[in-house]
Amino acid sequence: EDQVTQSPEALRLQEGESSSLNCSYTVSGLRGLFWYRQDPGKGPEFLFTLYSAGEEKEKERLKATLTKKESFLHITAPKPEDSATYLCAVRGQGAQKLVFGQGTRLTINP
Amino acid sequence: NAGVTQTPKFRVLKTGQSMTLLCAQDMNHEYMYWYRQDPGMGLRLIHYSVGEGTTAKGEVPDGYNVSRLKKQNFLLGLESAAPSQTSVYFCASTRRVLWRGYTFGSGTRLTVV
Repeated sequence: EDQVTQSPEALRLQEGESSSLNCSYTVSGLRGLFWYRQDPGKGPEFLFTLYSAGEEKEKERLKATLTKKESFLHITAPKPEDSATYLCAVRGQGAQKLVFGQGTRLTINP
Repeated sequence: NAGVTQTPKFRVLKTGQSMTLLCAQDMNHEYMYWYRQDPGMGLRLIHYSVGEGTTAKGEVPDGYNVSRLKKQNFLLGLESAAPSQTSVYFCASTRRVLWRGYTFGSGTRLTVV
C-alpha cells in the first residue's frame, strides 16, 4: 500500500529564515511525486511534479528535490505570503489516483 | 476557463437528511475524484471515476454514493447524513493521457448537526 508521511506537522519561521519540509514515501513504482500549496478555505494548488531520483524543480523561493525514499521542499528567504499548508502526494505504478500526506502547516512571521 | 466548480460552498444538514454535492469541470478531463479533508487526517479519497458511466470506491466510501452520467459532472450523494460526515469536501480532476496531477475545486464545507 502506498504511503506518504510529511514532517514536521507545523513549522513557524521568521521572515528570511530558510528551512525544508520533508515528505517520506513508500510506493510501488513511483509514477510521480506531487507538491501542492493550500491556503485556508481554498483548494490545493499545484506546485511541482517530480518523476525520478535526482530531479529538482524551482519556483520563486521554493525548490523541490527527490530521492528514492523522500522529497524535500526547500524554502529560501521566505516571506509572510509563503504561509500555507504544503501537501505532498504520490502516484504509484498502475494507479489512477494520488495518495496524500497529512501536510505541513507553514507560518512565516514578519 | 472556470476549471473545477463545486456547489454548494457551504451547507448545514441535520442528521438523517440527504444531499448531493455537484462537481463540474470544463477541461474535458477523463478522471474525477471526491476527497474529504479533516484536521490531522489529510485528504482521503471517497470515490473516483475514470470515465463517463464508471465509478470506483476509494479509501473511505461508506455512507456516500456517486454518479458520473456526463463526462463533465461528478456527483457525490449523502443518503442519510451523520455527524461523522462533517468535513470539507474537495473535488478534483485530471486528464488520462500525460497525467499531470489534479486540478482541485474550492471545496464544500459541510456540517451535520
